[in-house]
Amino acid sequence: GEEVAQTPKHLVRGEGQKAKLYCAPIKGHSYVFWYQQVLKNEFKFLISFQNENVFDETGMPKERFSAKCLPNSPCSLEIQATKLEDSAVYFCASSGTGGQQYFGPGTRLTVT
Amino acid sequence: DAKTTQPNSMESNEEEPVHLPCNHSTISGTDYIHWYRQLPSQGPEYVIHGLTSNVNNRMASLAIAEDRKSSTLILHRATLRDAAVYYCILRANYNTNAGKSTFGDGTTLTVKP
Repeated sequence: GEEVAQTPKHLVRGEGQKAKLYCAPIKGHSYVFWYQQVLKNEFKFLISFQNENVFDETGMPKERFSAKCLPNSPCSLEIQATKLEDSAVYFCASSGTGGQQYFGPGTRLTVT
Repeated sequence: DAKTTQPNSMESNEEEPVHLPCNHSTISGTDYIHWYRQLPSQGPEYVIHGLTSNVNNRMASLAIAEDRKSSTLILHRATLRDAAVYYCILRANYNTNAGKSTFGDGTTLTVKP
């Protein structure tokens, strides 16, 4: 498709529970990115993939966060044992050859 | 990562031009300058990008200073739908399609009817 799709739109988890977010990049795009927006204007880069390979994971809190992009499946971002500070909107973006990143609508994670 | 500095907020009247400034004094020679905007409750949307020369597209124009330490996004005629947070971002050119975006704080643009 021509849009990045993210599911679910909203996710509520109790502290300590697992959260799994999904992203379907635009077909044909080789690069997938995950960003976390905690406060209104504050974006943090988490991880990027080139096809199914991790390209840059410098932003990932490695203890509880993991991500995958497997062939013929949506990409996923998983948070084990969520904490209150994980509450944020998580954006996925994909990029092809034009230099632009196309962002999805985001998943709002609320940890209670 | 190179940082960008933008005013927190700006106001414009509808139908008037808007000039949104961005300082990026630590830009490296191969960083691309990208602009995105985020409407309420949406993901960021690409606006324009450039390297050295000024750029125009259907949405906006990008004016890049000769020393590349600053740039200005120009909306030629602001509409109410242009009200958004505008982010100026630097992306490394080792592979511009793969480089992560480092967001600054952005400028919240208010457009008055």
